[in-house]
Amino acid sequence: GENVEQHPSTLSVQEGDSAVIKCTYSDSASNYFPWYKQELGKRPQLIIDIRSNVGEKKDQRIAVTLNKTAKHFSLHITETQPEDSAVYFCAASIVGGGADGLTFGKGTHLIIQP
Amino acid sequence: EPEVTQTPSHQVTQMGQEVILRCVPISNHLYFYWYRQILGQKVEFLVSFYNNEISEKSEIFDDQFSVERPDGSNFTLKIRSTKLEDSAMYFCASSEARGGGEAFFGQGTRLTVV
Repeated sequence: GENVEQHPSTLSVQEGDSAVIKCTYSDSASNYFPWYKQELGKRPQLIIDIRSNVGEKKDQRIAVTLNKTAKHFSLHITETQPEDSAVYFCAASIVGGGADGLTFGKGTHLIIQP
Repeated sequence: EPEVTQTPSHQVTQMGQEVILRCVPISNHLYFYWYRQILGQKVEFLVSFYNNEISEKSEIFDDQFSVERPDGSNFTLKIRSTKLEDSAMYFCASSEARGGGEAFFGQGTRLTVV
């Protein structure tokens, strides 16, 4: 089955700086890579996703890049703000067939220092 | 904005008892999932459900677990004989596409087994 590795487990950055979280996956059939943000005690919420037919996707201060050859994808947050503090999970799945469930990474606790 | 809703928000049960966790997925979604998150750990896939049957289940989803869609709106997870290690946050999710694409999570049910 799919295995997703995520690092770092904790990331502390100064407010206004950029943050980068990286994930690797093992199943070359995976074609859908979402990122979820989870605030303490709350549900995971989808913040951005990317499919295997594109290499990069951007939404305001958030961007995701995908390297299918190397089987890794990254989340980039620019101009970080205090409300960006949360745990971020990457995930991988096969949309349209094969495995149904999302396989999550272990999460990155992002801390924005004022 | 439509959302996945779960009840109860917190369930305390004695070891060996049966519990039923309830979920109302987003109405036009066809794929339903249960995930588990032990405190401080990553989100883990349990089971996916489509067209009134299980389409995939993980190793965690053993014989003590079952899922059901008893009517057109509810989706339930039953744990027959709870163990201490079943204590976790259980998230229901739903999506339009197979494979967890753009899965939306409920707010979770915190299950505490004592």
